[in-house]
Amino acid sequence: ETGVTQTPRHLVMGMTNKKSLKCEQHLGHNAMYWYKQSAKKPLELMFVYNFKEQTENNSVPSRFSPECPNSSHLFLHLHTLQPEDSALYLCASSQDLLQRGEKLFFGSGTQLSVL
Amino acid sequence: TQLLEQSPQFLSIQEGENLTVYCNSSSVFSSLQWYRQEPGEGPVLLVTVVTGGEVKKLKRLTFQFGDARKDSSLHITAAQPGDTGLYLCAGARGGSQGNLIFGKGTKLSVKP
Repeated sequence: ETGVTQTPRHLVMGMTNKKSLKCEQHLGHNAMYWYKQSAKKPLELMFVYNFKEQTENNSVPSRFSPECPNSSHLFLHLHTLQPEDSALYLCASSQDLLQRGEKLFFGSGTQLSVL
Repeated sequence: TQLLEQSPQFLSIQEGENLTVYCNSSSVFSSLQWYRQEPGEGPVLLVTVVTGGEVKKLKRLTFQFGDARKDSSLHITAAQPGDTGLYLCAGARGGSQGNLIFGKGTKLSVKP
């Protein structure tokens, strides 16, 4: 148990569906992140939030829409995804924005399949 | 462009054997982290190395940061089935944002 909880654990959706991924951290951290993990690729940073303000959007397509209502909760809204978007989506948090030696705490991820 | 190369990509060994996995880059990092990820779970931080030449030990795991802070290695002594997992290295580029760059990982399987 890392203190970062993601739901759902698994999600299958069609290309026309709208769904949302949820992340909650119980660690009192100020920064939260969305990462994408695909087979045979390094973890890709998608979005960064610090004190619920977005500080980085790593050229992510607009079919992915993040929302951070407060420092403990992070959502990823999905709309008209493509099959190549199938991946493990990981949420993470850290005390502050990553600096030298700062630790990332990951959730268990949502395994997404787009049909 | 991948900045961190991990090798080998896959490693399958018997319980009790020793192994070393590598993380190499042409870039300098302010710090480097090693994570282990088990199937169906997110990565869990094992260690952070900050100083060039630094060596850290975590039970049977020994981590080393290269003198020039461009590479790192992880050595496991007497591997056990519980060591099975994906080992990821991640380099921090520094600055206030300090984005982490991840390697593709080494998938380790330790057979009883």
